[in-house]
Parts: sequence; structure tokens; C-alpha cells
Amino acid sequence: NAGVTQTPKFQVLKTGQSMTLQCAQDMNHEYMSWYRQDPGMGLRLIHYSVGAGITDQGEVPNGYNVSRSTTEDFPLRLLSAAPSQTSVYFCASSRGLGNYGYTFGSGTRLTVV
Amino acid sequence: AQTVTQSQPEMSVQEAETVTLSCTYDTSENNYYLFWYKQPPSRQMILVIRQEAYKQQNATENRFSVNFQKAAKSFSLKISDSQLGDTAMYFCAFMPPQETSGSRLTFGEGTQLTVNP
Repeated sequence: NAGVTQTPKFQVLKTGQSMTLQCAQDMNHEYMSWYRQDPGMGLRLIHYSVGAGITDQGEVPNGYNVSRSTTEDFPLRLLSAAPSQTSVYFCASSRGLGNYGYTFGSGTRLTVV
Repeated sequence: AQTVTQSQPEMSVQEAETVTLSCTYDTSENNYYLFWYKQPPSRQMILVIRQEAYKQQNATENRFSVNFQKAAKSFSLKISDSQLGDTAMYFCAFMPPQETSGSRLTFGEGTQLTVNP
């Protein structure tokens, strides 16, 4: 099993550009989430999904869109990149039963200049 | 909303010694789940240990154990016989019951642990 696969691992964008961070899991997990990690702030939830076709906002959703057309894929779209979106982004998936926790991808380091 | 607080931004320990990382949380839920994740320099998030709030027994995983104090809303991580490979950022995380949250994880700010030879 590959687990949770994120692409790309690194990306540099210019202010105003758009892009999509890809996330795919092969564990048939219903729950998927996107987090951003900034120094001194831990990981903060951007958007999450409890199943195909169902998404909801997390703590810091502004400037980001998501969709969940299949169980496997959960892409994160940056609509118009801003320097404040410079961060490390993690995708994670879970069976949805609390005692299993979440499995994380390896992260994407995004720099917006 | 739940909050998770890790009051120790950095800690260090000598190899083979024991260290305890602190975590407190705030919630009105009675049933929930708590986790410690490790993030080494590779950036990968690795689940270290988990605890269900309805279980009074503290979870253990080899050299890692927790001290779960539900009334005090405290969830500390003890690492015994520290090894150089334990050097990492450690995050405490809280998950409410599935039916109230969509299984959303809330993280603390992290504690950077350095194990010295």
C-alpha cells in the first residue's frame, strides 16, 4: 500500500497564480483532511471531507477550495496565491473511527513570492 | 471549540534518560481521543501513541507511555531510554467523537525534543 500520496513535494508560486495540490489514498478511508503547518502554530485544519461528495470548512479555509468526487482523491486548490499561504501542507486520511487516528502524507512545501 | 496547549516549545534530554512532554486540552465532550504524533526532520507525521478517553488505563507503546488525567484534562507523553532517533517535533492532538465533529483533529503548537549523545 502506498498510503497517502501528495504531489508535488515542493512548489514555488508567484502571487496571484493558482494551483492544485494533489492528494490520493489507497486505503479506502472515508475521512480526508487538509492541514497547513506554520512555525509555532502546529497544524491547522483547512478543509475536510467525511466521504465522497461531502466537504466542509475547517479552521482556516479562506483562499482554498476542495472537492471530493471519489473516495481516493481530495485535491486542494489555491485560487489566487498570496504570500500568507506560504506554508507546509499536509493531507491526511482516516477510517473515521477515532481510535485509529489519521495517516498523513509527506507534505508539500509551498512558497509564494 | 476544542483547544490543545503544549507549554514547552523546546526540551532536551540526554541519551538513555527519561523525558516527559506536557499537553493540556479543553473540551466539553466526555468521550474523545487523544494522540501524540512525532515529526522528525524528514517532515513525515508519525503516530506515536493513542488514548481513548473512556479507558482509564494509560496507553503504552514500547518506550512511549502516557499519563492521562481526564479530570485535569492533561495528556503527557513519557519517553523512556531516550534514543538519538527520538529527536523530533512532537505534537499532541485531540479528536472529538465522530458524530460531533467529522473526526476533526486539533493540534497543539508542538514541542521540539532534542536527544543529546
